Parts: sequence; structure tokens; C-alpha cells
Amino acid sequence: GQNIDQPTEMTATEGAIVQINCTYQTSGFNGLFWYQQHAGEAPTFLSYNVLDGLEEKGRFSSFLSRSKGYSYLLLKELQMKDSASYLCAPMDSNYQLIWGAGTKLIIKP
Amino acid sequence: ETGVTQTPRHLVMGMTNKKSLKCEQHLGHNAMYWYKQSAKKPLELMFVYSLEERVENNSVPSRFSPECPNSSHLFLHLHTLQPEDSALYLCASSQGLAGGPGTGELFFGEGSRLTVL
Repeated sequence: GQNIDQPTEMTATEGAIVQINCTYQTSGFNGLFWYQQHAGEAPTFLSYNVLDGLEEKGRFSSFLSRSKGYSYLLLKELQMKDSASYLCAPMDSNYQLIWGAGTKLIIKP
Repeated sequence: ETGVTQTPRHLVMGMTNKKSLKCEQHLGHNAMYWYKQSAKKPLELMFVYSLEERVENNSVPSRFSPECPNSSHLFLHLHTLQPEDSALYLCASSQGLAGGPGTGELFFGEGSRLTVL
């Protein structure tokens, strides 16, 4: 079956760095997405990786290792507004997004 | 105008009521989706429409009935729901055809929070 595993909750300090891990098992693979969802709001697109390696976009970076079925989202210089849930979603061979339950990130001053 | 608009934002209904959720996208996308989001659970794909034709129905109970009159509008008709159907219902759209390349990045609406009493 298809499975996504990411931590349920993480806590970090303002100004610090945090890494949110995601491991996945899917039927085929067509890339992996990360979405951010603030409480009571819609998920918004953060990043897409289809090749191995690190993609950097400002304070956020996303890494992919296809052979290991592993990805992480790295957030630097954390701000209070980064408190949100982060959803990992690989795409299978049918171009269907397989969603994780999300990691709730709590930022403390 | 925001990209994807959902109404109503909040809905409370009894189990015998009939109501509808509406979604409208102003992005010129070809595919539209209904997702169910329950607390601490992954997003559940309910329905997918591509060029106004349904391409995916993930074994959703018949008390949920989708309608896609054109590429910009999507409805979810609700009838004789159960309390376990209480959740956030998210509409999304994407460029490209569902089930094919280029459909990954989804643009979500704010959601309709449904409570079934």
C-alpha cells in the first residue's frame, strides 16, 4: 500500500532552524510536494521536488532522496508566522497526490 | 477576486437536511477537486473533475453528490449526512488535466466547515 510518515508535532524557537522529515512509499513516483497550512486556512504550495537533491527558496529548502523514499523541509530563521501544519505529499504513478497527516509546527519566542 | 472561492464558510445542518457547497475558481484551470479534511487525518480526495467530466470517485458515499456545470464552478450536494461527515471540505483547482503531468500544484479554497448534528 501507499504510506506517508511524518512527525505529528514539532516545537522550535524563533530564529532557529527546524527540519521536518517525511518518508513515503508509493506506487511509482512523480515528484513530491510540500504544502503549508495555517490553522483555519487553506493549504498553500511551498515546494516541489522531482529530482534528488536540495531545492532552496528563501528561508525554506526542500530535499529529496528517491532511493530512500525520503524528503525533508528545512526552515531557517524561524518566525512566529511559521507556526502552521506542513503537509508532505508525494505523487504516485497515476499523478495522484498521496497526503500525509501533516506536521504541526509550534514556534516559541 | 481570490483564486478559489468557497461558500459557505461555515454550515450547520441536521441529518435530514439538504444543502450544497459551492466552489468557484478564477484561475482558468482545467481540473477541480473536492477534499475532506478531518482533524489529524490526511486529506481525503473525494472527487476530481477534468474538463467538467468526473475522472475520480474514491468510493465516496452517495449522500455526497458532486456537480461540475463548467470549468469554473464545482458543487457538492449534501443529503442525509451523518455526524461523522462533520469536517472541513476543501475545494482545489489545478492547471493541466487531472491524472496527467502538470497537475501537482493545487490551489485551495479556504474551505467550508461542516457540522452535522
